[in-house]
Amino acid sequence: QSALTQPASVSGSPGQSITISCTGTSSDVGTYNLVSWYQQHPGKAPKLMIYEVSERPSGFSDRFSGSKSGNTASLTISGLQADDEADYYCCSYAGSNNWVFGGGTKLTVL
Amino acid sequence: QVQLVQSGVEVKKPGASLKVSCKASGDTFTIYGFSWVRQAPGQGLEWMGWISAYNGHTNYAQNFQGRVTLTTDTSTTTAYMELRSLRSDDTAVYYCARTIAASRHFDYWGQGTLVSVSS
Repeated sequence: QSALTQPASVSGSPGQSITISCTGTSSDVGTYNLVSWYQQHPGKAPKLMIYEVSERPSGFSDRFSGSKSGNTASLTISGLQADDEADYYCCSYAGSNNWVFGGGTKLTVL
Repeated sequence: QVQLVQSGVEVKKPGASLKVSCKASGDTFTIYGFSWVRQAPGQGLEWMGWISAYNGHTNYAQNFQGRVTLTTDTSTTTAYMELRSLRSDDTAVYYCARTIAASRHFDYWGQGTLVSVSS
């Protein structure tokens, strides 16, 4: 199972919106609406931000949204804030109790 | 509230074995699965395997098959990850993550266990 493909880095200014893409295959992202996104600050454990492509955990900010088209999922962060600066990872279920992560994207808030 | 608390730092020599624990609290243990994910220094997340706390069923990533064993102890609500024949490139932070069956995502994570493998 190959890793999902994410851009290595993205950047944006406070208040702007950015989108991070996550490209898989017809064996994972393309087949299952079971893509999740995780935020990781340096030295910390990952934190769930989005599940089932576009669902947010209860109480989480609606500045974070997810979508999917074909084999590519996307995470959009609107109204960028300084604390959004972190690494972001997508993850897709790949069937038969297998999961695959993306390589991660470093978000820089300028 | 839900907490996953992992065991502490491990320093191992090549060829040795490792067993990391993940103590869960705050919710019913047996209705969830637990996945293990590792992160080498400066690298991304790598899924290693999954175990159902309900029936002990497991599945391992191809990269780790034959070297990793996941278990759970329902009496102590603890999940375990054993990795054998350690190599220097097994140096990483190892995370346990509670896995939601229906939506196949990881909703709570342990704090991570740093494992260093060096001669």
